[in-house]
Amino acid sequence: DVKVTQSSRYLVKRTGEKVFLECVQDMDHENMFWYRQDPGLGLRLIYFSYDVKMKEKGDIPEGYSVSREKKERFSLILESASTNQTSMYLCASSFWPGRQVVYEQYFGPGTRLTVT
Amino acid sequence: ILNVEQSPQSLHVQEGDSTNFTCSFPSSNFYALHWYRWETAKSPEALFVMTLNGDEKKKGRISATLNTKEGYSYLYIKGSQPEDSATYLCASPRAYSGGSNYKLTFGKGTLLTVNP
Repeated sequence: DVKVTQSSRYLVKRTGEKVFLECVQDMDHENMFWYRQDPGLGLRLIYFSYDVKMKEKGDIPEGYSVSREKKERFSLILESASTNQTSMYLCASSFWPGRQVVYEQYFGPGTRLTVT
Repeated sequence: ILNVEQSPQSLHVQEGDSTNFTCSFPSSNFYALHWYRWETAKSPEALFVMTLNGDEKKKGRISATLNTKEGYSYLYIKGSQPEDSATYLCASPRAYSGGSNYKLTFGKGTLLTVNP
């Protein structure tokens, strides 16, 4: 069974703090993704990575950065948290065989971040 | 950005009712269509990955059809049960990395509530 874990289920941070959200997958997947989910807006892609040290911006990367030092771990960093980053953050991973095939994504349980 | 639309936004049905909802996506450059189920307090879970026009997939009481020429997919639930209550998401891949890798654009989801 694929398992994607996230470091915290709930997190409360203050405005201006640096925040790290960690995600680990145990299935040797190449692709990893960070999304945020807000009411009425659905799941939106923040960043994704297709290999160690490789990253690409998603649809809403502003205010975020990412790090992928090991294949199994993908971190989302809020350099200076703001109240508009209060949201549910979901990590996902998928297999990529290096060619034109799309596999389903496996999601972590989510981190509900509140920035006060 | 790819536009993936889902309707209705929410749906309330009685236990035993059959129901269906729709996902619309651009029919040009179609590659695949994903369906996910997201139960409260759990991770989104893949239901189906569909790639061929006319494809029909089934998992227990849930089935899905795909029309790539007109750009829509239907998800059907036969004899709804309270445990079917969830948000159902569809997603379509966008090509990245020279067309060999993909990232998903999600619809906003249909929230299904099944009353006992």
